[in-house]
Amino acid sequence: DAGVTQSPTHLIKTRGQQVTLRCSPKSGHDTVSWYQQALGQGPQFIFQYYEEEERQRGNFPDRFSGHQFPNYSSELNVNALLLGDSALYLCASRAGLAGGYEQYFGPGTRLTVT
Amino acid sequence: GQSLEQPSEVTAVEGAIVQINCTYQTSGFYGLSWYQQHDGGAPTFLSYNGLDGLEETGRFSSFLSRSDSYGYLLLQELQMKDSASYFCAVRAPDQTGANNLFFGTGTRLTVIP
Repeated sequence: DAGVTQSPTHLIKTRGQQVTLRCSPKSGHDTVSWYQQALGQGPQFIFQYYEEEERQRGNFPDRFSGHQFPNYSSELNVNALLLGDSALYLCASRAGLAGGYEQYFGPGTRLTVT
Repeated sequence: GQSLEQPSEVTAVEGAIVQINCTYQTSGFYGLSWYQQHDGGAPTFLSYNGLDGLEETGRFSSFLSRSDSYGYLLLQELQMKDSASYFCAVRAPDQTGANNLFFGTGTRLTVIP
């Protein structure tokens, strides 16, 4: 049973560019959340997808957008990259929108913006 | 909004017991979770308290007092592999009723021989 997978593992981009990160949830899970984790900080909630719709959003600008596909996989897009966007981006999945207290995290994508 | 506080660093001796505290202020509250994260790794779920009291899972226990907005994680018989960052996270609803996790800044535990 595959857990949550993310790609790519590492990414280096230049300020102003755009980036797309990908996530496949754990088998049987239909709800995907994205988090940004800066060095030495806790994960910060970006948004959550369920039934191909954004259901919740944290305090992140519109430069951060996402998508969920019919197979429950998800993408996180960040436009007009800033140096401050450098962080570990984590994807987490669970079964159901309102239920389930345990979230399963993927290994993350380390984004470096230069 | 959500606000969680935990100590930034804790050091303990192998074989000992350590307690990591977490206080929170939230608009809405379903429960408190604890996650472990090793350097370079993903957060992994340790425990969840939806009700007041103590939950025990092997060497790890977690406690919650909803009236005090306080919880702690207790690690017993510490092992070197327990050196990691530990995050408390509040499971809280938003205005739509959906819920998600809001994390503290983490406590870095160092276990020494």
